[in-house]
Amino acid sequence: DTEVTQTPKHLVMGMTNKKSLKCEQHMGHRAMYWYKQKAKKPPELMFVYSYEKLSINESVPSRFSPECPNSSLLNLHLHALQPEDSALYLCASSQWGSTNEKLFFGSGTQLSVL
Amino acid sequence: DQQVKQNSPSLSVQEGRISILNCDYTNSMFDYFLWYKKYPAEGPTFLISISSIKDKNEDGRFTVFLNKSAKHLSLHIVPSQPGDSAVYFCAAFLQGAQKLVFGQGTRLTINP
Repeated sequence: DTEVTQTPKHLVMGMTNKKSLKCEQHMGHRAMYWYKQKAKKPPELMFVYSYEKLSINESVPSRFSPECPNSSLLNLHLHALQPEDSALYLCASSQWGSTNEKLFFGSGTQLSVL
Repeated sequence: DQQVKQNSPSLSVQEGRISILNCDYTNSMFDYFLWYKKYPAEGPTFLISISSIKDKNEDGRFTVFLNKSAKHLSLHIVPSQPGDSAVYFCAAFLQGAQKLVFGQGTRLTINP
C-alpha cells in the first residue's frame, strides 16, 4: 500500500466555520507533512510531524492547527479562515531520516472559503 | 528567495520527440533532488530522483541529469507520449532541515 488518503476531496466553508482535514497512510512512515498549493504556484510547506511530534511550523497562522493522533493519521483543524486561504491542501508522508527522502502525496483537499 | 527555479513555465513537444525540462538551484547544501508530475486538483506523483553524489539516473523513458558545479538538473523524457502532458515540479531535499523545496513547475504539453 503506497497510498496517502485525504478526506474530504472538496470542502466549502464560511469564515466562521470550524472544519478538519484528515490524512491517513499505512506505509509505516514516521514523518507526515501538510503543504498548501495555490493555483499555478508550487506546493508550500506548512507543517512537518516526525514521530508524532511537530518538528517544523513554517510560521503558519494559528487559524490552522495541526494534530497527529498517531503515526498513521494527520489532521488539520481549520477555524476562522479567510477567503485567501482557499487552496489545495496536500498531505504527504515519508520514512524520515533517510538520505534519499521521498515524499508520497495524497490527492489533496480543495478548500474554498466563502 | 526562490531556492529552486524552473525558468520555463511551459513547454510544448511533439509526440515521439524528446522533452527536456530544466531546473536550477541556489543552495549547495541540497543533497537529494526529485521530479514530481502533477495533474490539476491532484497531489504530485513521484517520478524520478537523484542523489547529489551522482550525475545521472535513468528509469525507463525518464532520465535525470545533475550538474553540481552549475547547480543545474534536467529531466529528459524520450520518447514523449500524450500521457506525459502535465505540470512537472523539480524539488530539492535538505536533509538537515528535512524540507522538500519545490520549483515553480513547468507545464509540459505533448502534441500528437
